[in-house]
Amino acid sequence: NAGVMQNPRHLVRRRGQEARLRCSPMKGHSHVYWYRQLPEEGLKFMVYLQKENIIDESGMPKERFSAEFPKEGPSILRIQQVVRGDSAAYFCASSREIQTNYGYTFGSGTRLTVV
Amino acid sequence: GENVEQHPSTLSVQEGDSAVIKCTYSDSASNYFPWYKQELGKRPQLIIDIRSNVGEKKDQRIAVTLNKTAKHFSLHITETQPEDSAVYFCAASTVAGSYQLTFGKGTKLSVIP
Repeated sequence: NAGVMQNPRHLVRRRGQEARLRCSPMKGHSHVYWYRQLPEEGLKFMVYLQKENIIDESGMPKERFSAEFPKEGPSILRIQQVVRGDSAAYFCASSREIQTNYGYTFGSGTRLTVV
Repeated sequence: GENVEQHPSTLSVQEGDSAVIKCTYSDSASNYFPWYKQELGKRPQLIIDIRSNVGEKKDQRIAVTLNKTAKHFSLHITETQPEDSAVYFCAASTVAGSYQLTFGKGTKLSVIP
């Protein structure tokens, strides 16, 4: 029973390129949560999605960032025209029901480096 | 929104001693407080959590205490071992957006053999 899978583990992009981060939830899970961890910081909530729906994107920057969780396939976090400040670790977690008062099990994360 | 402050930012202890990390939160509606351990280059892992209807919870060498009136909670690690060295994060969430954890900035714990 595989846990939350994220790929790639490491991603290097030049300024101005696009970054695509993938998150495959645990089997049977239809809720996905994305968090970002800037260097030397705690994690910050970005977006919560259910299959084919964005439920809460209040933590996601308004520009350049988008997220989706299609009916089939992984959840995708897309960052367009990346800048150095986007360099961070991006973690996702999943749940069967809405995550209420239970600790997350995060995936291994994607470490994005913008050069 | 919620704000979580964590202290100290770094902590060094001798092996076998105790370590205490403290967090304060701002939103009195917060009712769930997990602690995560993150080793270098790895994912944060939940090590213990506490809900607002409980004042203390223990799991072997780790314990968490919660003071709702003062809005602070603490992580206690006893008989520290070198493998406890990591960055520890506290977090808080409210009922309204309980999927939305607010994290502290972390405490880097070093256990000196």
